[in-house]
This record gives sequence, C-alpha cells and structure tokens, in this order.
Amino acid sequence: AQKVTQAQTEISVVEKEDVTLDCVYETRDTTYYLFWYKQPPSGELVFLIRRNSFDEQNEISGRYSWNFQKSTSSFNFTITASQVVDSAVYFCALSEAEFQGAQKLVFGQGTRLTINP
Amino acid sequence: DAMVIQNPRYQVTQFGKPVTLSCSQTLNHNVMYWYQQKSSQAPKLLFHYYDKDFNNEADTPDNFQSRRPNTSFCFLDIRSPGLGDAAMYLCATSRDRGVTDTQYFGPGTRLTVL
Repeated sequence: AQKVTQAQTEISVVEKEDVTLDCVYETRDTTYYLFWYKQPPSGELVFLIRRNSFDEQNEISGRYSWNFQKSTSSFNFTITASQVVDSAVYFCALSEAEFQGAQKLVFGQGTRLTINP
Repeated sequence: DAMVIQNPRYQVTQFGKPVTLSCSQTLNHNVMYWYQQKSSQAPKLLFHYYDKDFNNEADTPDNFQSRRPNTSFCFLDIRSPGLGDAAMYLCATSRDRGVTDTQYFGPGTRLTVL
C-alpha cells in the first residue's frame, strides 16, 4: 500500500538555525512523483516542489533544499538559516497513477515547524 | 494572478442545516478536488471532478455532494452537517489528473458546526 511517513510531528528551533524535515514513502510503482507543501496558519496549502521518481538530483531554491534518495525511499527537506516566516505545517505527499490514470495524492501526517525569534 | 479562490473563508452552520461551500479557479484547469482536513490531520480527499465527470472516493459519506456547473466553479454541499463535519475544507485544481500533474490549493473554508 502507498504510504508517506513524516516521523517528526513537531520541530521547534531558534531563528537562523538549519532544520531538516524527514519524509519516507512506500510504493510499489516505478513511476511516481513526490511533493512538498507548506501550510501556514492561514490554512492554504502552498506548493513548494515536485520531484519525479527518475530524477534523484538534489534541488536547491534559495534557503530551501531537497534531498531525494531512492535507495532509502526518502525525500527530505532542509531549510537553511530559518526565519520566523517559515513557521508552518509541512506536508510531504506521494502521487501515483490509479486505475485509468487518475492521480491519487497521498499525504503524510505533516510536521509542525516553529521558528522562534 | 491566476488562483484558486474559496468562499467564504469561515462558515458557521447549525447541526443539520444544509451548507454550501464555493470554489472558483482562474487557472482553466480540468480537474477540481475537494478535501476535508480535520485538526492536526492530513487532508483527506472527498471527491474530484475531471471536467464534468464526478469521481467519488469510496469512503466519502453520502452527506457530502458536489456540483460543477462550469469549468471555473465547483461547490461542496453538506446536506445535514454533523458535529463531526467541522473541519477545514480545501479545494484544489490540476491541469489534468495524471501522475505528473501538480495540485494547487485554495485558502480553504473553515466550517464550524454548532
């Protein structure tokens, strides 16, 4: 069965510290996509990144970086020099094709990140 | 800016009183989704529209219905809200429903049932 596990329920760090959010997934498919979404207190799920199962290159976008390792089925997210505005719940998600090609997005339980000034 | 809009942002209803939540999009996407998210939980897919084709999740209660009168708008109807239906309701869209398609979410409607 498809599953996404975010073992860290809550993380709290002081501003400017680096922080890594872990994501481990399970799937039987060879073709799948992985996503990270940010949910600030306002409630909207903000899309951060999409990575396909054939591309294991790490990606960096400003203070954000993602490490995809197929060998360990992990897709971890690191925030460098964290800021108070980074405080949010972060969801990792897995997309697979279902019957007749309909996409199913499977979410992890989320990690609540608090950045303290 | 192209976006997914949900109205209202906050909705209060009474136990058993029908309520309708609204979602609109300017992305011209083919697919629109409705998710329910309870406190400290991940979003749970209720159903989606692929163009005019309605696709219900197997475990979505009959109390939840949806309408999509045109490409831009989609509504979530809760026929007889119970206390357990209090949640954040998120609308999302995607260009298509393949595994490669990214879902873009609206700001959500927080429903309170009294």
